Amino acid sequence: ILNVEQSPQSLHVQEGDSTNFTCSFPSSNFYALHWYRWETAKSPEALFVMTLNGDEKKKGRISATLNTKEGYSYLYIKGSQPEDSATYLCALGSARQLTFGSGTQLTVLP
Amino acid sequence: ETGVTQTPRHLVMGMTNKKSLKCEQHLGHNAMYWYKQSAKKPLELMFVYNFKEQTENNSVPSRFSPECPNSSHLFLHLHTLQPEDSALYLCASSPLAGGPQETQYFGPGTRLLVL
Repeated sequence: ILNVEQSPQSLHVQEGDSTNFTCSFPSSNFYALHWYRWETAKSPEALFVMTLNGDEKKKGRISATLNTKEGYSYLYIKGSQPEDSATYLCALGSARQLTFGSGTQLTVLP
Repeated sequence: ETGVTQTPRHLVMGMTNKKSLKCEQHLGHNAMYWYKQSAKKPLELMFVYNFKEQTENNSVPSRFSPECPNSSHLFLHLHTLQPEDSALYLCASSPLAGGPQETQYFGPGTRLLVL
């Protein structure tokens, strides 16, 4: 059973602050790491798929980095806005399956 | 909108009831998935269908019975559930259930309460 850990579990930041959170996973037999954004009462929405050590992806104010050798990925949000409030999930991709972490719940206070 | 719809969005049922959850994807994908999310737990994969054939069953109790009549529709038939089955049930689809890099597209889920 793969163990995917996310920290912190929840986070409150002020509008305009930058923030980051972590996804940790077993570094052996790594294939791919996914990040999803999940707003309350909506569908989880794919943000990034990362495969290579040192990968860095960016979408607007959100970016992510990947370290497959030590088994972690960081998600960064620059200049947080209230609309960034959501749960951010990471998932480890293996053959035919995604294994999800429990998510980091971000609340951006106006 | 992700192109994956689920009905109903909310469902309350008794332990002796039979009900079904429905998922439809409008993305032309060939793989469909059922996930369960219980309170404070990660999303757990239940079933995978690829080209209408079931390819994964993650040790799910037989009171959950999936059906995939075609690549666009997926059902989860529920029978004699227990209160601990109360959870959010999410459907997803992807082009092919084959690669670890493949993005899955999720529906909004059905919130199920078993009394």
